[in-house]
Amino acid sequence: GDSVTQMEGPVTLSEEAFLTINCTYTATGYPSLFWYVQYPGEGLQLLLKATKADDKGSNKGFEATYRKETTSFHLEKGSVQVSDSAVYFCALLWASNTGKLIFGQGTTLQVKP
Amino acid sequence: GAGVSQSPSNKVTEKGKDVELRCDPISGHTALYWYRQSLGQGLEFLIYFQGNSAPDKSGLPSDRFSAERTGGSVSTLTIQRTQQEDSAVYLCASSLEQGYNSPLHFGNGTRLTVT
Repeated sequence: GDSVTQMEGPVTLSEEAFLTINCTYTATGYPSLFWYVQYPGEGLQLLLKATKADDKGSNKGFEATYRKETTSFHLEKGSVQVSDSAVYFCALLWASNTGKLIFGQGTTLQVKP
Repeated sequence: GAGVSQSPSNKVTEKGKDVELRCDPISGHTALYWYRQSLGQGLEFLIYFQGNSAPDKSGLPSDRFSAERTGGSVSTLTIQRTQQEDSAVYLCASSLEQGYNSPLHFGNGTRLTVT
């Protein structure tokens, strides 16, 4: 079945470092791909999305490019801040008639000043 | 405006007891989802509602789990005869309509602990 695999955390970085969180997926066909973020004490919220191959989603300095050839959707940010500390979830949507998302296990990011 | 509201925020119950978890979606959102987040696990899909109907119940782990939605709004997830493996954070989400153009809005979850 469809699945999402993320790199294990926690990822610990110093402020202004470059961030990459890897995400790969398994799906029949071409799903839409998402990154959700969960800040401490808050609910999950959509960070960015891409709906077809080669699309780049971006928001708040984060970017991810839908790579069909490698079935990947890696999350990147050029310069992280302490306020980016959160849990990041990669997700795919295949059955768009239901809106059901399949999530990865989440990656915890800790940014130190 | 108000987001997705879940209650209670925390629930501790004894093994074998029944629990009810409540979700108030964003007003006007027709689609509602329940997920479960266990320690070290990703988010596990449980059930999806479109209006009051549940076209996809495929994620409910056993017949001890059930959910209903009334008036196209509030939803209740019921777990009967709770077991320790039911301990998790139960998340509810709603969206304006089904499909990838309507992002899911999540509540803060109910943390369930079965002792």
